[in-house]
Amino acid sequence: AQSVTQLDSQVPVFEEAPVELRCNYSSSVSVYLFWYVQYPNQGLQLLLKYLSGSTLVKGINGFEAEFNKSQTSFHLRKPSVHISDTAEYFCAVRRAGGTSYGKLTFGQGTILTVHP
Amino acid sequence: EAGVAQSPRYKIIEKRQSVAFWCNPISGHATLYWYQQILGQGPKLLIQFQNNGVVDDSQLPKDRFSAERLKGVDSTLKIQPAKLEDSAVYLCASSPADKETQYFGPGTRLLVL
Repeated sequence: AQSVTQLDSQVPVFEEAPVELRCNYSSSVSVYLFWYVQYPNQGLQLLLKYLSGSTLVKGINGFEAEFNKSQTSFHLRKPSVHISDTAEYFCAVRRAGGTSYGKLTFGQGTILTVHP
Repeated sequence: EAGVAQSPRYKIIEKRQSVAFWCNPISGHATLYWYQQILGQGPKLLIQFQNNGVVDDSQLPKDRFSAERLKGVDSTLKIQPAKLEDSAVYLCASSPADKETQYFGPGTRLLVL
């Protein structure tokens, strides 16, 4: 089984400042990793994913994340945030392989609040 | 391309009543998921369908929850009878066969009084 720990439940930051949202995972098998964003009263939208290959992955809205296998981490970063980035962010993991392993295990979420 | 559709968006019921949620996935997506998201937590998978067959329902409380996807397209999730702890957002997601990315609908917010 897989598990995910998001180390910060809330992250306040000023507009145009950099931000890092931390995610650690646990698994005995190879995994795929994802970051989703959830705006109020909306579903989840995929920001980026790591399946294989380069450990630095770039996503939408200027976000990027780095897969670190030795640290079992997948931290999300953005060099300069905007007010519109205020939302809840979820890290998720699933077992690598076919769709039969499609179950996503999510972390508890990190609420990012960008202040003017 | 139309996204995942869910209805209703909001539902308030009394405990011990029954309720049903509907999901229409993105056209052509073979895999459909139902997740439960309790306030302050990440979503938790309830059931996964591949076409109209169940792949994983290990976390579905089968004494009160049921789900079906009869024609391999849209799906319904039912709760009967509802308990207070069922108050949550129920998210439906879909993905193409053998693809990793899941696309989520807006969710149905359920309040059980």
